Amino acid sequence: KAGVTQTPRYLIKTRGQQVTLSCSPISGHRSVSWYQQTPGQGLQFLFEYFSETQRNKGNFPGRFSGRQFSNSRSEMNVSTLELGDSALYLCASSLYIGAGNTIYFGEGSWLTVV
Amino acid sequence: TQLLEQSPQFLSIQEGENLTVYCNSSSVFSSLQWYRQEPGEGPVLLVTVVTGGEVKKLKRLTFQFGDARKDSSLHITAAQPGDTGLYLCAGPSNAGGTSYGKLTFGQGTILTVHP
Repeated sequence: KAGVTQTPRYLIKTRGQQVTLSCSPISGHRSVSWYQQTPGQGLQFLFEYFSETQRNKGNFPGRFSGRQFSNSRSEMNVSTLELGDSALYLCASSLYIGAGNTIYFGEGSWLTVV
Repeated sequence: TQLLEQSPQFLSIQEGENLTVYCNSSSVFSSLQWYRQEPGEGPVLLVTVVTGGEVKKLKRLTFQFGDARKDSSLHITAAQPGDTGLYLCAGPSNAGGTSYGKLTFGQGTILTVHP
């Protein structure tokens, strides 16, 4: 079955702009989570959605937001981009929400802010 | 806040050597997972360990979960160039006593195996 699909794979934005990243989970998966990966901070949790509701949020400023649609697809948005937002943004999906759950990552969206 | 510390951060070895990567925490985790990530790709789950003292083997990779469920190790026997990558340990974070899909990741170990 198809894996987690993220679009776009690569993008370059200018400081102050906003960006929207998209994630299509594995078919049948209802939980989608987002992570930011940078060389300095490693993988950090952004937020998790299940049944169109945000269930958990990491320690990121309000410029980072997301949503989930009825078909489980998810988008995340970063407004007023800063140079430090340059990172690999990873989406992961899982069947349900809860401990011991196996999550599957997409290949990520590489964002460069100049 | 639950933290996971991995060591070493970098490992450069010759093909055929053995190596061990450690993942330690002062907190108890209900389970720990190990991922491998290759350049330009997302992390791929290798194994999940759940029971304290559990040992799991995946071909030349051996994973162990500490008895107290605060630490884990990954041992690779006779490393091959194809083992090169970023190895990450991760555990579910507790939020208000209920675990969600939020994972806490270690900083990772970059392994390079030279032919």
